[in-house]
Amino acid sequence: GAVVSQHPSWVICKSGTSVKIECRSLDFQATTMFWYRQFPKQSLMLMATSNEGSKATYEQGVEKDKFLINHASLTLSTLTVTSAHPEDSSFYICSARDSWGGSTEAFFGQGTRLTVV
Amino acid sequence: AQTVTQSQPEMSVQEAETVTLSCTYDTSENNYYLFWYKQPPSRQMILVIRQEAYKQQNATENRFSVNFQKAAKSFSLKISDSQLGDTAMYFCAFRSPLLTSGTYKYIFGTGTRLKVLA
Repeated sequence: GAVVSQHPSWVICKSGTSVKIECRSLDFQATTMFWYRQFPKQSLMLMATSNEGSKATYEQGVEKDKFLINHASLTLSTLTVTSAHPEDSSFYICSARDSWGGSTEAFFGQGTRLTVV
Repeated sequence: AQTVTQSQPEMSVQEAETVTLSCTYDTSENNYYLFWYKQPPSRQMILVIRQEAYKQQNATENRFSVNFQKAAKSFSLKISDSQLGDTAMYFCAFRSPLLTSGTYKYIFGTGTRLKVLA
């Protein structure tokens, strides 16, 4: 089955620094990837839709200058949390759909637990 | 706007018994997909089952089956012969038809935490 690899699986950073999270589709191409944020015991909140070769589409209330998304190739999207603060601590999950394989479901990465101290 | 509602925050079931998780959704669309995803303690999201809205037949995957009632906009998940490994958070999800942006939108419910008891 399709595999989405997310890296790192966890990261601790100091307040004010930036953190980059990578999302790779390993065995399929994805023109679109999705970035979610999940608070403890809560659902997935869509942050943005990452489009290969173009700007990401952010959901209402998500700061695009805070959460930079780059989808430079059909297999890689990155989320950079800039000037991180403790309130950015959360679980971030990416997902991707096999654009050409005709799959209907989205495949998920393992998630990244970000802790800002 | 589409919404997905899971009204059962937590449920428990005895091992080998059957449990049903509820999900309702709201949409004005006619063609869409519905999914149940499982999120175990590892936090990895795993697809359990999918249902095409245009299909009347309920989807089945081994011990997992759905009761899809399109008119009522209901999409419940039945787990038969529950196993300890079924303990997880279960999310109901709606996938929109293709949007003008050229992509799809996935909307998740708030989840049901299922605990299978030995």
